[in-house]
Amino acid sequence: SQKIEQNSEALNIQEGKTATLTCNYTNYSPAYLQWYRQDPGRGPVFLLLIRENEKEKRKERLKVTFDTTLKQSLFHITASQPADSATYLCALGIGGYQKVTFGIGTKLQVIP
Amino acid sequence: DADVTQTPRNRITKTGKRIMLECSQTKGHDRMYWYRQDPGLGLRLIYYSFDVKDINKGEISDGYSVSRQAQAKFSLSLESAIPNQTALYFCATSSRGATDTQYFGPGTRLTVL
Repeated sequence: SQKIEQNSEALNIQEGKTATLTCNYTNYSPAYLQWYRQDPGRGPVFLLLIRENEKEKRKERLKVTFDTTLKQSLFHITASQPADSATYLCALGIGGYQKVTFGIGTKLQVIP
Repeated sequence: DADVTQTPRNRITKTGKRIMLECSQTKGHDRMYWYRQDPGLGLRLIYYSFDVKDINKGEISDGYSVSRQAQAKFSLSLESAIPNQTALYFCATSSRGATDTQYFGPGTRLTVL
């Protein structure tokens, strides 16, 4: 069956370090992958999209990689700040105008 | 003003009551979604609608029904609420494009006693 796996354990990291979050998938052939940020009690907010033919995408301090051979995406936040503390969700899209499917999310805590 | 609004934002009700959650959007999107979120379970899709005449069940539709009254409005009903429907409910929208980037409302916190 199709599965999207994100580390359900919280990730604690020191301020200033690079945070790396992982999204693995099985039995999917995604055309693209998205990352969202969710703050407690609020709706997720779209951050970045990367397509299957792209290896890497950057936006300010954010970087996303997509390895279709490993079936994995990595989400990096460089020079992390306490304000980056949130839950980050990946979502996979298979294209063909189909809806995306969300992973469970990983909670990031940046410690001052 | 927010592009996706949900009413009410908080609701406490009793077992057996009928509840309606409403969602409105000003983004002009064709697609609308209802999710629930429970601690440790992530977002679970209840229903989705790709246009006014297209309604589809998600992974957990039992006990819920929806109505797409217009392109901009999508409501979720709990016909007879039960305590395990206590959750945070989100409405989302997306455009009919090659990538399904979703825009979420602020959520409704529902408690069923």
